[in-house]
Amino acid sequence: AQTVTQSQPEMSVQEAETVTLSCTYDTSENNYYLFWYKQPPSRQMILVIRQEAYKQQNATENRFSVNFQKAAKSFSLKISDSQLGDTAMYFCAFMNLVTTSGTYKYIFGTGTRLKVLA
Amino acid sequence: DTEVTQTPKHLVMGMTNKKSLKCEQHMGHRAMYWYKQKAKKPPELMFVYSYEKLSINESVPSRFSPECPNSSLLNLHLHALQPEDSALYLCASSREGFLDEQFFGPGTRLTVL
Repeated sequence: AQTVTQSQPEMSVQEAETVTLSCTYDTSENNYYLFWYKQPPSRQMILVIRQEAYKQQNATENRFSVNFQKAAKSFSLKISDSQLGDTAMYFCAFMNLVTTSGTYKYIFGTGTRLKVLA
Repeated sequence: DTEVTQTPKHLVMGMTNKKSLKCEQHMGHRAMYWYKQKAKKPPELMFVYSYEKLSINESVPSRFSPECPNSSLLNLHLHALQPEDSALYLCASSREGFLDEQFFGPGTRLTVL
């Protein structure tokens, strides 16, 4: 069964600094997708970045980038030039098509609460 | 309009009540989702509708009954809930399916007494 692990329940970073959130996963599938979602306090969850497992190049979205290590099953999120608005819960998520049943599996990690300090 | 709206924002109900949660989007998305999120926990997928048809039911108890009357609207009917069903219920939509970005609503905070 697929699992997603975020080993850092809470982190803090000074404004303008860089922080890396870790995520590891376990799967026997070869084709899958990985996501980072941000859930600010009392606000809607939004997609930060996504990575297709078949792509070797790491995804980047402005100040957000990932370090995808497929062999190590690791998918960390780097936030550069941290801003106060980055304060949120960050969830790593895994999705794949389960070939035996033809359905999708979508699993979230337990989350990392990030606080950006002024 | 790039918004998913959910009503009500808060709901308190007794174990014998029947209530419904509503979710609406006008982005032309054809996939809609219900998630349950307990406090300080990640969202758990409950149901997925694709082109108004239920495509995924993650073994959710029958006291939760989803309905997709049209491509813009998703309901979750609640009946005979238990206190442990108290949670934030999130709705999301995406253009076609899981491979597309999901847009989340603000959620309905449900308390079952």
